[in-house]
Amino acid sequence: AQTVTQSQPEMSVQEAETVTLSCTYDTSENNYYLFWYKQPPSRQMILVIRQEAYKQQNATENRFSVNFQKAAKSFSLKISDSQLGDTAMYFCAFMKQGGNEKLTFGTGTRLTIIP
Amino acid sequence: GAGVSQSPSNKVTEKGKDVELRCDPISGHTALYWYRQSLGQGLEFLIYFQGNSAPDKSGLPSDRFSAERTGGSVSTLTIQRTQQEDSAVYLCASSLPGFNQPQHFGDGTRLSIL
Repeated sequence: AQTVTQSQPEMSVQEAETVTLSCTYDTSENNYYLFWYKQPPSRQMILVIRQEAYKQQNATENRFSVNFQKAAKSFSLKISDSQLGDTAMYFCAFMKQGGNEKLTFGTGTRLTIIP
Repeated sequence: GAGVSQSPSNKVTEKGKDVELRCDPISGHTALYWYRQSLGQGLEFLIYFQGNSAPDKSGLPSDRFSAERTGGSVSTLTIQRTQQEDSAVYLCASSLPGFNQPQHFGDGTRLSIL
């Protein structure tokens, strides 16, 4: 079974600054995918970024980038030039490779962007 | 296009009653998932459908929970004889078939058991 750990329950940062959210995971699988989802107060889970484990290059989506360390089983999310709209819960998630698979989520980090 | 639609948005019911939660996935998405999010927690997997069949129902917490999907589209999650610990947000997600397809989530149903 897989586990995902997010050790930072809450974080806050000034608008326009950079913030990094931590995520570690445990698995015996070699092929898998990792995701960061954002959940604003509206409750909808929004995919922020995803990473294929077989790719060494870190994924980037505009202001969002990851630091994927496969050997260390670490998958942190960096948000640059943070904006007020980034305020939300952020969840790290794991999915085995093998067609349609369930997501295993961490417990989340509540991020607040301070004006 | 329309996203994943869930109804009702909120449901309050008395302990012991049965409830039905509905999920309408994105058109063409053959995979459908149900998750449960308890207060302050991450999402917990309940059940996965591929078409109308459920190859993985390992997350259903007890036999009071059941789900079905008809016509490869709408799914209903039924909780019988509800208990207070069933109070949570129930989220549905759908995805296209194939590898590494992202799951698209609905807004969830907030279930409160009095």
